Amino acid sequence: GAGVSQSPSNKVTEKGKDVELRCDPISGHTALYWYRQSLGQGLEFLIYFQGNSAPDKSGLPSDRFSAERTGGSVSTLTIQRTQQEDSAVYLCASSLRDRGYRTEAFFGQGTRLTVV
Amino acid sequence: DQQVKQNSPSLSVQEGRISILNCDYTNSMFDYFLWYKKYPAEGPTFLISISSIKDKNEDGRFTVFLNKSAKHLSLHIVPSQPGDSAVYFCAASARGSQGNLIFGKGTKLSVKP
Repeated sequence: GAGVSQSPSNKVTEKGKDVELRCDPISGHTALYWYRQSLGQGLEFLIYFQGNSAPDKSGLPSDRFSAERTGGSVSTLTIQRTQQEDSAVYLCASSLRDRGYRTEAFFGQGTRLTVV
Repeated sequence: DQQVKQNSPSLSVQEGRISILNCDYTNSMFDYFLWYKKYPAEGPTFLISISSIKDKNEDGRFTVFLNKSAKHLSLHIVPSQPGDSAVYFCAASARGSQGNLIFGKGTKLSVKP
């Protein structure tokens, strides 16, 4: 597709269950970002993938959170043993970065996660 | 510690007047700055960017100013329209592999008719 695609758009899960959120970036974009926005809050950085470099995981809030990016394209964010405080909108973005050239990051519509 | 700060959580402006949104940053390695606009239940959309080699970039009603010595940037919207009402996020990134995109907490702009 033309834009960043995220699935599912909404997810309701029970506390303690694992969830997987998917992101399909724009084709050819080398950088992929995950953010989350809790109610009334700003965009909290989670993890950043750039090409074949080791991802920057410095924003992951706990070891229950992990993400991978297969083949430099699709990314999956996994939250294990979900807690109510994990409820938020999870946003994925992608951009093109190549030898100092950068484009803006394009965002998907987000996945609204509700932990009950 | 917040590397990108938007100290005004909200701003209210009359239609037709200028809206000025401010952003401060602390990381001197940042060299690329962006503004995004976000409506409820939608992902942020890119508005305008500026590289650190410039001090001004203009696109229609939107102008971004960068003051590197003060580590400050601002977004000017002239004239403001009711459709501009949204949350505006400032973002910054650094050159090289550490270049993840860091966002401020946002400023909610309300443009009143």
